[in-house]
Amino acid sequence: LAKTTQPISMDSYEGQEVNITCSHNNIATNDYITWYQQFPSQGPRFIIQGYKTKVTNEVASLFIPADRKSSTLSLPRVSLSDTAVYYCLVGDPLSGGYNKLIFGAGTRLAVHP
Amino acid sequence: KAGVTQTPRYLIKTRGQQVTLSCSPISGHRSVSWYQQTPGQGLQFLFEYFSETQRNKGNFPGRFSGRQFSNSRSEMNVSTLELGDSALYLCASSLKGRENTEAFFGQGTRLTVV
Repeated sequence: LAKTTQPISMDSYEGQEVNITCSHNNIATNDYITWYQQFPSQGPRFIIQGYKTKVTNEVASLFIPADRKSSTLSLPRVSLSDTAVYYCLVGDPLSGGYNKLIFGAGTRLAVHP
Repeated sequence: KAGVTQTPRYLIKTRGQQVTLSCSPISGHRSVSWYQQTPGQGLQFLFEYFSETQRNKGNFPGRFSGRQFSNSRSEMNVSTLELGDSALYLCASSLKGRENTEAFFGQGTRLTVV
């Protein structure tokens, strides 16, 4: 499974757009990129998943450049409730990679009033 | 539909004892994975079961074991508890276990070893 690197922490203010970048230089051809969100004392929650270009859902957007060596999670107009740890994961679903999730340290996002 | 249910939510045990944690996956999900989360080590993969068979195992000692029943419910057991086993234990289920699907996590069991 490819190793990922994310900033340890980020600060933002309510209403701003937050972009969290994840580096995965050794991503393999069959790997997908997935982001999870975790609040204290709760299990992680799936946010978004993608393979290339751009993916958007009701919560976030995921931007993946052509070389796929990095990805950016974009959270539009954050609120205080978006304060959480965000994890970037890379894995090949066809090899069972999504049943053996390897979490890094994640990015601790703090949203301020 | 009901989410992943873990019981109990909180547990206090003494060193040397053993403990069994339970996880009920989302109905229809056949893959169940277990994770340990501590402040120092973060989220670490323990093992994964699919159709009652352990498919993947993390780097944990043999004191950590698990099993899955025919209804996909899973249990994990930790024997001879150590203080360092104090952690949040999380269970996750997914639909097919091999395709591009998300994992759904439970609320976790907070284990404290004293």
